Amino acid sequence: KAGVTQTPRYLIKTRGQQVTLSCSPISGHRSVSWYQQTPGQGLQFLFEYFSETQRNKGNFPGRFSGRQFSNSRSEMNVSTLELGDSALYLCASSRGRGALQETQYFGPGTRLLVL
Amino acid sequence: KNEVEQSPQNLTAQEGEFITINCSYSVGISALHWLQQHPGGGIVSLFMLSSGKKKHGRLIATINIQEKHSSLHITASHPRDSAVYICAVSKGGNQFYFGTGTSLTVIP
Repeated sequence: KAGVTQTPRYLIKTRGQQVTLSCSPISGHRSVSWYQQTPGQGLQFLFEYFSETQRNKGNFPGRFSGRQFSNSRSEMNVSTLELGDSALYLCASSRGRGALQETQYFGPGTRLLVL
Repeated sequence: KNEVEQSPQNLTAQEGEFITINCSYSVGISALHWLQQHPGGGIVSLFMLSSGKKKHGRLIATINIQEKHSSLHITASHPRDSAVYICAVSKGGNQFYFGTGTSLTVIP
């Protein structure tokens, strides 16, 4: 069974631009969660999607948004990028009980650098 | 104040040593996870606990709900165990807190 895939793996953007990251979950998994990891703040929960609906949201500004498609693939978007958005963005999929409510399977991450 | 505290922050061990990493939390939880992150960023979920003890190979995880404490033990440590270990907790399924991680280096 293929694991969680994320694209792109690396990305360089400039301040003010927007970016879209993609996550394909393990086949059959319906929950997709997104996390941000920075050296200063560590891992932080962004949001979780289940059946195309946002089920939970972390404490991030509205510039961070996401969506999930009918095939469970998910995208997250960051608009008006700031230097502090430079981070490793990780997605994780699980069967359906929800973020950190069951075993999470993580993707390799997208490393975003904002200049 | 962090809701999840891990200790130690850094740990260096000789191959073969028994290793313990601790996680204390201050909130009521529905689940606790131990995650392993290798250089390069990939994260693997090692255990999910809500009570008791779990074992997988050389890894053992325990949790004491009353004391709000969990430990991750590695028996017969190996250089391939070198990684950052992160404790993560879920409160009510809609609040999530992460420890800052324990960086483990196992020397051959």
